[in-house]
Amino acid sequence: EDKVVQSPLSLVVHEGDTVTLNCSYEVTNFRSLLWYKQEKKAPTFLFMLTSSGIEKKSGRLSSILDKKELFSILNITATQTGDSAVYLCAVRGDSWGKLQFGAGTQVVVTP
Amino acid sequence: EAQVTQNPRYLITVTGKKLTVTCSQNMNHEYMSWYRQDPGLGLRQIYYSMNVEVTDKGDVPEGYKVSRKEKRNFPLILESPSPNQTSLYFCASSPLAGGPADTQYFGPGTRLTVL
Repeated sequence: EDKVVQSPLSLVVHEGDTVTLNCSYEVTNFRSLLWYKQEKKAPTFLFMLTSSGIEKKSGRLSSILDKKELFSILNITATQTGDSAVYLCAVRGDSWGKLQFGAGTQVVVTP
Repeated sequence: EAQVTQNPRYLITVTGKKLTVTCSQNMNHEYMSWYRQDPGLGLRQIYYSMNVEVTDKGDVPEGYKVSRKEKRNFPLILESPSPNQTSLYFCASSPLAGGPADTQYFGPGTRLTVL
């Protein structure tokens, strides 16, 4: 059975700190891993990582994929209160249409 | 404006009363999907559609039906809702599942309560 596990479940940091979120997965025939940010509404897309794109960066956010060890990391540097959200990881495996999500990591950034 | 719309946004109903949640996208996307979100469980996929007339089950399809007669619409049907279907529902669309533009745009969500 496919599995996506995110850790930690939640964390609280001060503005300016660096945050590292983990996503480990077990899926048949891995195809891609996606990161989303969810504030008090619908998730919004952050990154997609595949075998041909194992590192992505956008501003203060960056992500890497370790296909050998089956995990991904999302880093947020110089955190701001606007980074407070739930961060979701999702993986596409054997079926292109299926997308398996982790339970998410709640990040709270305090001023 | 490119968007995914869902209706209704909020719905309180009673057990057994059939209901439909509509989902529409204006981006000409091939792929559409329904998810439910429950505390501590993240998003779980109910059904997805790779294209018109092509639908398939996700991880939690029991108690739900879908149809994809047109590219832009992907309604979610609950024939006989039960209290365990109380949840927050999201519809999403993407140009192509797994393709280089696999970003998935989510609708605003429908909060359903079944009494």
